[in-house]
Amino acid sequence: GQQLNQSPQSMFIQEGEDVSMNCTSSSIFNTWLWYKQEPGEGPVLLIALYKAGELTSNGRLTAQFGITRKDSFLNISASIPSDVGIYFCAGQLRETSGSRLTFGEGTQLTVNP
Amino acid sequence: KAGVTQTPRYLIKTRGQQVTLSCSPISGHRSVSWYQQTPGQGLQFLFEYFSETQRNKGNFPGRFSGRQFSNSRSEMNVSTLELGDSALYLCASSLGAGSQPQHFGDGTRLSIL
Repeated sequence: GQQLNQSPQSMFIQEGEDVSMNCTSSSIFNTWLWYKQEPGEGPVLLIALYKAGELTSNGRLTAQFGITRKDSFLNISASIPSDVGIYFCAGQLRETSGSRLTFGEGTQLTVNP
Repeated sequence: KAGVTQTPRYLIKTRGQQVTLSCSPISGHRSVSWYQQTPGQGLQFLFEYFSETQRNKGNFPGRFSGRQFSNSRSEMNVSTLELGDSALYLCASSLGAGSQPQHFGDGTRLSIL
């Protein structure tokens, strides 16, 4: 099935470092979302973006909706051990007949204390 | 506010059997979507239900079906199980109109022997 191109696939960083990950698509989306998934749990919504060019923050997390509507990035500043997990981007195309999420492959983040 | 509840959390079946998974959405949410998560294919959209009607369907065979009840609770059914159906099945709910983000449950881990 269609997926977004998410990079990097994995990151190994030291506590306190900043992290950046991004997603690109060949298709336009009108909503971008970022989720975090930890072992044994479902994805948890971190940030939702609704307009091209929008920049939104949630604590140490900042995400942007690309101007072309085909990409988005997520930054995490001053990482801490509890940031460990898999981060997924998801594009949503609102349709009168409903909506579905198309997911990236995920970025596995490891933070060394 | 209770989150999305999925039951059972774990299930073991054998090839050829059928299985029914259940999802209770967040109170007030009318849209329920189902996703399959596997290491190889990532998160793939199965279908979406809104007001007891399927309004969106992913690219899965007819063995995968679902329904939604008047209280917005949803079930998905997989018949004639195959080894490749082993996956984490995730349910997500949203208010249902426009672009409200989807919130996920912790999933049902289905293993086929």
